[in-house]
Amino acid sequence: EVQLLESGGGLVQPGGSLRLSCAASGFTFSSYAMSWVRQAPGKGLEWVSTFRGSGGSTYYADSVKGRFTISRDNSKNTLYLQMNSLRAEDTAVYYCAKEEWLGGGNYFDYWGQGTLVTVSS
Amino acid sequence: QSALTQPRSVSGSPGQSVTISCTGTSSDVGGYNYVSWYQQHPGKAPEAVIYDVSKRPSGVPDRFSGSKSGNTASLTISGLQAEDEADYYCYSYAGSYTGVFGGGTKLTVL
Repeated sequence: EVQLLESGGGLVQPGGSLRLSCAASGFTFSSYAMSWVRQAPGKGLEWVSTFRGSGGSTYYADSVKGRFTISRDNSKNTLYLQMNSLRAEDTAVYYCAKEEWLGGGNYFDYWGQGTLVTVSS
Repeated sequence: QSALTQPRSVSGSPGQSVTISCTGTSSDVGGYNYVSWYQQHPGKAPEAVIYDVSKRPSGVPDRFSGSKSGNTASLTISGLQAEDEADYYCYSYAGSYTGVFGGGTKLTVL
């Protein structure tokens, strides 16, 4: 059974930093692209970042480029999101999601339960 | 990376059918056959109900179907049931390993 468990959320002041973790189990973690998707309170979903399973390539939404860094430790089956220079608009539930690629595009076939990040003074 | 356009809300009675639209551009919806749809109940994580425009993940009832024409994708739910009441989001691959979600649609079962 695929399981994704996020942790590391909390309250942080504007300009501060936070690192989220996502512990994965139930599949061959190193073989799959993994992403972070966020949802501001009462708002819609927003794709944040992706780390490909092979090659180590990373991709970011314009809204977080230069401030957030995605990484993974395949030996620990864990995905990370380092968030720096946090802003009030980064307040959201952050979901870790496993990607499935069946051709030339993707979808998110498994999601974690999410971890809440609140940026406020 | 502008969000795809969805109606804010739709509604239908039990047993009826509803369709939710998702409009993008030739750089996302219109350019790729990689549109997926997600159902989200309050306080829960999203779950995929359609991928690759019209395919259903294992376990999703065949009451859920998807289609696409030009820059607009659609999710149709037939034989509405009370448990279908939720928020629905479309997502499209947009090239270069990036993607974009729609703003979400609240489905109310009357």
